[in-house]
Amino acid sequence: DSGVTQTPKHLITATGQRVTLRCSPRSGDLSVYWYQQSLDQGLQFLIQYYNGEERAKGNILERFSAQQFPDLHSELNLSSLELGDSALYFCASRGGLAGGEQYFGPGTRLTVT
Amino acid sequence: AQTVTQSQPEMSVQEAETVTLSCTYDTSESDYYLFWYKQPPSRQMILVIRQEAYKQQNATENRFSVNFQKAAKSFSLKISDSQLGDAAMYFCAYRTLRYTGNQFYFGTGTSLTVIP
Repeated sequence: DSGVTQTPKHLITATGQRVTLRCSPRSGDLSVYWYQQSLDQGLQFLIQYYNGEERAKGNILERFSAQQFPDLHSELNLSSLELGDSALYFCASRGGLAGGEQYFGPGTRLTVT
Repeated sequence: AQTVTQSQPEMSVQEAETVTLSCTYDTSESDYYLFWYKQPPSRQMILVIRQEAYKQQNATENRFSVNFQKAAKSFSLKISDSQLGDAAMYFCAYRTLRYTGNQFYFGTGTSLTVIP
């Protein structure tokens, strides 16, 4: 158990809909990263937040948005969903101490039908 | 931008044997971190090992060790005494230490099969 939690574990929705994925980082971790992993693909970095502020943006579509709240949990919002958005969405958190590795949550599997 | 290359999409190893997974990266920075992550069929991403660029000594974690060649920008993972549970996708990752982002860059992965 990495200490990072993600909800829901599975999500099935229709094209055109909007969903929200939630992530709670490890206790004390200020950085949250979001990744998308399509079937048999590598990890695509979407966005990073640090203590409530956006720090880095990757290949995130305009239909997607995220935020990090004062309690440090983060939400990834996906709207106008398309079939191609079906993927595993990971959240990872990182502490500020030396070592600097990310710890990943179990992921949310999104299926768009 | 930094890039991470894993040139072996698939590898296989006999149980109890040793296998080495390759990773190269491109960067102009002198300080950074390198990681190997494992993704078993459960799809959970698990940290295997970490290497700080300023350290010359290669990192070791039990049966897992790295060969870090900074000048060559190479970071290979050696798995000794391979076990069935080592079967997974392995991702090499680079982390910049720049203030803005501290972003991680991942390779495309190597799928490791362990043959009983």
